[in-house]
This record gives sequence, C-alpha cells and structure tokens, in this order.
Amino acid sequence: EVQLVESGGGLAQPGGSLRLSCAASGFTFSSYTMNWVRQAPGKGLEWVSYISHSSENTIYADSVKGRFTISRDNAKNSLYLQMNTLRAEDTAVYYCARGAAERWEVLDYWGQGTLVTVSS
Amino acid sequence: DIQMTQSPSSVSASVGDRVTITCRASQGISSWLAWYQQKPGKAPKFLIYAASTLQSGVPSRFSGSGSGTDFTLTISSLQPEDFATYYCQQANSFPLTFGGGTKVEIK
Repeated sequence: EVQLVESGGGLAQPGGSLRLSCAASGFTFSSYTMNWVRQAPGKGLEWVSYISHSSENTIYADSVKGRFTISRDNAKNSLYLQMNTLRAEDTAVYYCARGAAERWEVLDYWGQGTLVTVSS
Repeated sequence: DIQMTQSPSSVSASVGDRVTITCRASQGISSWLAWYQQKPGKAPKFLIYAASTLQSGVPSRFSGSGSGTDFTLTISSLQPEDFATYYCQQANSFPLTFGGGTKVEIK
C-alpha cells in the first residue's frame, strides 16, 4: 500500500524557517517524481514544487521561488521542503504528492498533509 | 501559466441526481487533465487522468470527457459518499495549476 506521511509543520514567525518531511513507503521511491502542493485555510489547491527521480530537475511556483527548496533522499525514501523567509500567505496545509508513472504531471497519491502557520 | 476555470463553484443536489462539473483551460492542453475529489479535512483523492481514464477503484458512475480547452466531470447517480469538493488540474505542463473547485452539497 502506498503511504506518504508528512511531518514538520507548526507555527513559524514571519521571516522564519521550517523544514517539512515526507516519508514514503509501499513503492519504489526512487522510481517516482514527487511534488509539494499546499492549501490555504478554506481555499483551493496550489502546486508548490516538483523534483525528478534523482533530483536532477526541480521546479517551483513563482510564489515560492528563491525561498523554498525541494530535495529528496532516495536512500531514506524521504522528500523534503525547506521553507525560508516565510510569509503569512504561506500559511496552509502542505501535502506531498507522488507523480504518476504514466504522466509525471498527474498526482496519483497524496499524504494527509501537515499544517504550517506563519504568524507573529 | 495555464489558468483553469471550474464551474459552478458549488452545486446542490440530491442522492440519485446526475451532476456535471465543467473545467476550462486558458489554452489547449490536449487530453492532459486530471480530476480529484476532496472531503473535508482529508487529502485530495485522484479520480481521473487523461480527461476520461478512471483510476483503479473509482466507481463507474464517475466519468470524464473533453479535450483541448473544455472538459467535464459527470457523476451519473450521486451517492452519499460523493458529497465533496472536486478539482480539475491541467497535467500538460509545469507549473501545474488547479481549478478553483466545485463543492457538491446535499440539497
């Protein structure tokens, strides 16, 4: 069974940092691309970032470019999101999502999410 | 970036009703469209890809159609477990973009 479990969310001050993690199991992690998607309270879904199988390619939404860094450790079956210079508008539930094998841009499995709150 | 527009933003329906949700892309995306279902407090669940291909395990009352810029998600006979918010997403290119969502509510 595919499982994605996020952790690392919490309260951060504006300008602060947080590092999110996503532990993957039930599939060969290194064979799949991965993504982060967020959802502000009461709002819709916003894609945040993508990373390829072996980390050779990364892509970011304009809203986080230069502040967030996606990474992965295939030996540990883990995905990460380093979030720096946090803003109030970064407050959201952050989901890690797997890219489908047939089409990387389709997100076929999602974690349960971790809440990030940016407030002073 | 490709903009995705969903309509309606909400719909009230009864069990057994047929419900249709529309999604429009700001430019042609061939058939690279996915649909997701999200229930309150839960993660999105992948339903349909390539506009019309149901993910394994998704009930056949769900169907998708369309290509180019106009797409639809149809629930042929609404069941109690189908009350949720539905999102379309273009899977043509990065940055990935989602529609604003359609909340299917109980009438």
